[in-house]
Amino acid sequence: DQQVKQNSPSLSVQEGRISILNCDYTNSMFDYFLWYKKYPAEGPTFLISISSIKDKNEDGRFTVFLNKSAKHLSLHIVPSQPGDSAVYFCAAKSNFGNEKLTFGTGTRLTIIP
Amino acid sequence: NAGVMQNPRHLVRRRGQEARLRCSPMKGHSHVYWYRQLPEEGLKFMVYLQKENIIDESGMPKERFSAEFPKEGPSILRIQQVVRGDSAAYFCASSPGGAKFFGPGTRLTVL
Repeated sequence: DQQVKQNSPSLSVQEGRISILNCDYTNSMFDYFLWYKKYPAEGPTFLISISSIKDKNEDGRFTVFLNKSAKHLSLHIVPSQPGDSAVYFCAAKSNFGNEKLTFGTGTRLTIIP
Repeated sequence: NAGVMQNPRHLVRRRGQEARLRCSPMKGHSHVYWYRQLPEEGLKFMVYLQKENIIDESGMPKERFSAEFPKEGPSILRIQQVVRGDSAAYFCASSPGGAKFFGPGTRLTVL
């Protein structure tokens, strides 16, 4: 049972344009969401997070939006840069999950120069 | 401040052998998590440990897998009698709480 879903396995975006990565979840107990970026042969690197009491969090080129009623979140990267090419994972946790993260299957983002 | 350290980075074992994966958390972090990533999949939680205690092992296979985080030294994930299906990348994360910091992973290949 995949509780966190990233339905787009891959996404290609022109350099300088906006990249939008999507994530859906089914467990209504999730109340904290994170995005990670992963390069091949490296561990995931934390990018940005959002608590369920907010609907938007911004950090530089990265903005995460949360729609609790739709159980949907998205990561916006603008402007996209070649170094953003990586696999992006959405993750979620609940207050009762002792910090255990549930990950999506990832979206491979390719930025086209 | 060094990040989360994992070794070895690559480990090759034959079926039936034992695999030992080590993780040293970031300085000051006393919470360690192990995750496994199978090919073309996301990371799956295995076990959560604090010093000398297993807090949550709900993601660990019931047999052949064990984990420890002793008072001194790194956390160890031990896989006995490895099978081909154990081939995966194993990531350790440490945390004082909140967002987690991941190590570079150990890629286990079982021949």
